[in-house]
Amino acid sequence: DVVLTQTPVSLLISLGGQASISCRSSQSLVHSNGNTYLHWYLQKPGQSPQLLIYQVSNRFSGIPDRFSGSGSGTDFTLKISRVEPEDLGVYYCLQRTHNPYTFGAGTKLELK
Amino acid sequence: EVQLVESGGSLVQPGGSLKLSCVASGFTFSNYWMDWVRQTPGKSLEWIGEINTDGSKTNYAPSIKDRFTISRDNAKSTLYLQMSNVKSDDTAIYYCTRKGGVDWGQGVMVTVSS
Repeated sequence: DVVLTQTPVSLLISLGGQASISCRSSQSLVHSNGNTYLHWYLQKPGQSPQLLIYQVSNRFSGIPDRFSGSGSGTDFTLKISRVEPEDLGVYYCLQRTHNPYTFGAGTKLELK
Repeated sequence: EVQLVESGGSLVQPGGSLKLSCVASGFTFSNYWMDWVRQTPGKSLEWIGEINTDGSKTNYAPSIKDRFTISRDNAKSTLYLQMSNVKSDDTAIYYCTRKGGVDWGQGVMVTVSS
């Protein structure tokens, strides 16, 4: 199975600051069709996960441009600029290139 | 508005069986692949499996293969997860998702304990 390693495990960020989360894969996430199925989710306290970024760098509908995704192959990054209170929670990466699909262990974003 | 509502969660003994349901609304259910994902008390997320639009094709995670079965009834806009020979490690919140994780239900709790 593909292992996704997320770092850091937790982040303490001031309001208005910038956060960066890494997701490294144990193998390339480039699908045979050329697409890379690496997605990012935020799970706010008491809620279900919500999609933020799909296929590495595409913001989902309604997601502010403070969120950006980048990367290729095995190394991916989610950046959150100008952190706001509603950004707090646990961030997960998910790969849907290789079956079984797998999630990273999560990164908890907290306020400093 | 897309809605996914899971039900059927409960306390079940090890080795027992349970069937979860997920009723969908707000979209044409028969047009979408559907998934089940679970979240353990340790909080990690695990993909369980998926089913295609007409229910003829399923894929499962190795950890639950041969114990869990995903099915659907398009006439009822309902997704199912039949769980058999459950183990304590199956204790989790179970979510149904649409379109590869675009939309999620609120989740249902399954506890496996004697």
